[in-house]
Amino acid sequence: GNSVTQMEGPVTLSEEAFLTINCTYTATGYPSLFWYVQYPGEGLQLLLKATKADDKGSNKGFEATYRKETTSFHLEKGSVQVSDSAVYFCALSDRSYIPTFGRGTSLIVHP
Amino acid sequence: NAGVTQTPKFQVLKTGQSMTLQCAQDMNHNSMYWYRQDPGMGLRLIYYSASEGTTDKGEVPNGYNVSRLNKREFSLRLESAAPSQTSVYFCASSESTGGPYEQYFGPGTRLTVT
Repeated sequence: GNSVTQMEGPVTLSEEAFLTINCTYTATGYPSLFWYVQYPGEGLQLLLKATKADDKGSNKGFEATYRKETTSFHLEKGSVQVSDSAVYFCALSDRSYIPTFGRGTSLIVHP
Repeated sequence: NAGVTQTPKFQVLKTGQSMTLQCAQDMNHNSMYWYRQDPGMGLRLIYYSASEGTTDKGEVPNGYNVSRLNKREFSLRLESAAPSQTSVYFCASSESTGGPYEQYFGPGTRLTVT
């Protein structure tokens, strides 16, 4: 079956630091890949997505590139802000109706 | 558009009580889902409905029932609540044709069972 593995948190950074959250996946075929963000007390919301190999998704300064050769979709941001503190979920979706989520990585950004 | 709405936002139940969590979406999506979120466990799928008139079990269906009332609404029922069902419950919806199947989540219901 499909699976998504992401780095455990929490990830603690100072403001303006570089962020990487690793995500690797196992799937048959060519799934679409997603990053969702969950702010405290809220539901998940889509941050970015990529639908095929070598696609780069980007939004709000975050980026992730669909790497089929390494089955990875790492999330990066060049300069984090306190307002980026949240939980980040990597996910994949194939032709089934059921997406597969990673367990989430908590990011804490200090001023 | 309101997106995905859930009621109630908070609920406290005693063991053995029953309740229904309501979910509605206004995006004309075919598929709807119920998840629970517990610390360290990520999201776990309880039930889903691929289209109006169909429902299927997810990873953790025991103790729950669902009803897909129409295309917009998908409710989750706890017949006899247990402390192990203390959790945050999220409803989500997605399109099911054409892909990619990104999900849209509601704000959640925070349930405590004492």
